[in-house]
Amino acid sequence: SQTIHQWPATLVQPVGSPLSLECTVEGTSNPNLYWYRQAAGRGLQLLFYSVGIGQISSEVPQNLSASRPQDRQFILSSKKLLLSDSGFYLCAWRVTGTGGIGELFFGEGSRLTVL
Amino acid sequence: AQSVTQLGSHVSVSEGALVLLRCNYSSSVPPYLFWYVQYPNQGLQLLLKYTSAATLVKGINGFEAEFKKSETSFHLTKPSAHMSDAAEYFCAVSGGATNKLIFGTGTLLAVQP
Repeated sequence: SQTIHQWPATLVQPVGSPLSLECTVEGTSNPNLYWYRQAAGRGLQLLFYSVGIGQISSEVPQNLSASRPQDRQFILSSKKLLLSDSGFYLCAWRVTGTGGIGELFFGEGSRLTVL
Repeated sequence: AQSVTQLGSHVSVSEGALVLLRCNYSSSVPPYLFWYVQYPNQGLQLLLKYTSAATLVKGINGFEAEFKKSETSFHLTKPSAHMSDAAEYFCAVSGGATNKLIFGTGTLLAVQP
């Protein structure tokens, strides 16, 4: 069966420090991968998605970046965090080739607090 | 472009009462629609999805939703609320060959004893 792992689960970082959140998927190959951010009262905001190694689509201009160095690994990064980067970050995957019909499967999330 | 609007950021019901969570969508292509549930500090879990096979969709935990094209709606219902249903619920839309799933702002459901 497929599983998705995210870490760290919680993170407290000072403004201006770097960030790295990691997500890995097991039990499937060539998944579509997604990073969402959840802020209070704002639902889930799609940040990045990837349909293959090295292929990243950015949805929102910001100081975050994403990379996919391996087929089932998706990393969210920042060189210098802002207060507004605080939130709950969710990684998700979807079976490739399903287009819009396939559902997303979510990880447990990473809560980032920037002080 | 696609979007969903969830009416009511907070809904409170009594245990045993009907649950109705509202979702309206906008889509330029035939939509696929999803309802997810999120418990505190956890990821999202799929409740049900509409993929054009049937307009009334049954999901897990006794929930169901009806696709109404004329009203561009996909409301989530459950006949009798349980305390364990207290959570946040998200409606989402996708469509065509897109790789994106667009979420609403969520509805927090409280169940009173």
